[in-house]
Amino acid sequence: QQPVQSPQAVILREGEDAVINCSSSKALYSVHWYRQKHGEAPVFLMILLKGGEQKGHEKISASFNEKKQQSSLYLTASQLSYSGTYFCGTGRGNNAGNNRKLIWGLGTSLAVNP
Amino acid sequence: DAGVTQSPTHLIKTRGQQVTLRCSPKSGHDTVSWYQQALGQGPQFIFQYYEEEERQRGNFPDRFSGHQFPNYSSELNVNALLLGDSALYLCASSPGGRRLNQPQHFGDGTRLSIL
Repeated sequence: QQPVQSPQAVILREGEDAVINCSSSKALYSVHWYRQKHGEAPVFLMILLKGGEQKGHEKISASFNEKKQQSSLYLTASQLSYSGTYFCGTGRGNNAGNNRKLIWGLGTSLAVNP
Repeated sequence: DAGVTQSPTHLIKTRGQQVTLRCSPKSGHDTVSWYQQALGQGPQFIFQYYEEEERQRGNFPDRFSGHQFPNYSSELNVNALLLGDSALYLCASSPGGRRLNQPQHFGDGTRLSIL
């Protein structure tokens, strides 16, 4: 049930782009993206709902593909501040209970170097 | 505007003991969720509280229990501690208890070590 994130780790030079994927074997209703820096709390990035929408926040955007049961997070022109571990949390179904109980992936470690 | 605050920040216990962790949600938030995060892992959902009741629970044994107070703050209690309970315990709050898919605001967590 746990979503699979890929890649496990990415190393970038400042200004490069990256894509992080979150795939589930079960049908998804929502995908939540968070970033956690070492020793800090996870910080909310965005939520995508069933419907294949794409969202953006400055140079970070994401898409949600229902058919593939997958969400992708796009980081363009990466900055040093993007470094951290990115987690996706998935909610299944339109049932309130299933959406409150987010199932989280193992995370993707992203390091942006000067 | 204070964010989510958790106490204590660090705790060391021995096997078999009991522990209580505390969380104050962000101002304006009425829903509190608790997570366990082992080293190198993603957060694992323990349970969520709203209107002083547990309304959703993850795959954790009954040794894990909680409480929410009228001011929306919450406690996580763990009994009969095991070595495997060593982890970072995160509290997250969100607004609008009956609305789904709300952003969660996390506290810095309590690092629990079991000897």
